[in-house]
Amino acid sequence: GQQVMQIPQYQHVQEGEDFTTYCNSSTTLSNIQWYKQRPGGHPVFLIQLVKSGEVKKQKRLTFQFGEAKKNSSLHITATQTTDVGTYFCAGSRLDFGNEKLTFGTGTRLTIIP
Amino acid sequence: DADVTQTPRNRITKTGKRIMLECSQTKGHDRMYWYRQDPGLGLRLIYYSFDVKDINKGEISDGYSVSRQAQAKFSLSLESAIPNQTALYFCATSDGDLISSYNEQFFGPGTRLTVL
Repeated sequence: GQQVMQIPQYQHVQEGEDFTTYCNSSTTLSNIQWYKQRPGGHPVFLIQLVKSGEVKKQKRLTFQFGEAKKNSSLHITATQTTDVGTYFCAGSRLDFGNEKLTFGTGTRLTIIP
Repeated sequence: DADVTQTPRNRITKTGKRIMLECSQTKGHDRMYWYRQDPGLGLRLIYYSFDVKDINKGEISDGYSVSRQAQAKFSLSLESAIPNQTALYFCATSDGDLISSYNEQFFGPGTRLTVL
């Protein structure tokens, strides 16, 4: 079955440093979504990428979708304490349309003030 | 008021007991999902439903069953709970607009289930 892996599993950064999480799928994706889960909270949608090579920005967050549509990354510039949480990618498989998402294992980000 | 609600929020039960987790939504979405979250494993899909008459197994459906009583309600049952079903359970909904290929999912607050 489809697998979506994320690295690293954990990341501790000093406030102000940059952070990147990487997502890799074993199969070609039709689209990829990113979610953020604050400690004790539930996943909240951040963004969806659909096109090969697509890059989208949300303030300090930059999302990329690979040319082969099998990998993606989320980069946060100059982290702040509000960025704390677990970041999940989630991919829809091409031949299944948009029936369901397969979530990555997540990257847990902690910030050292 | 929250768009996706789950009850109960916390539950402790014993091995062998039957447990039902309930999910309700006011978003008017057709698609509903049940996930479980375990540390280091992310979110894994248990069951999903695209409308009231549609039920589909996810990647880890063994030991679980679901019921879609109405568009707004989707229940998850553990017929005979076992300790390795201890986890955080999330319900989610999506609009499922196939034309736009856009299916952002909206999650409930979660139910923390402990099976002793």
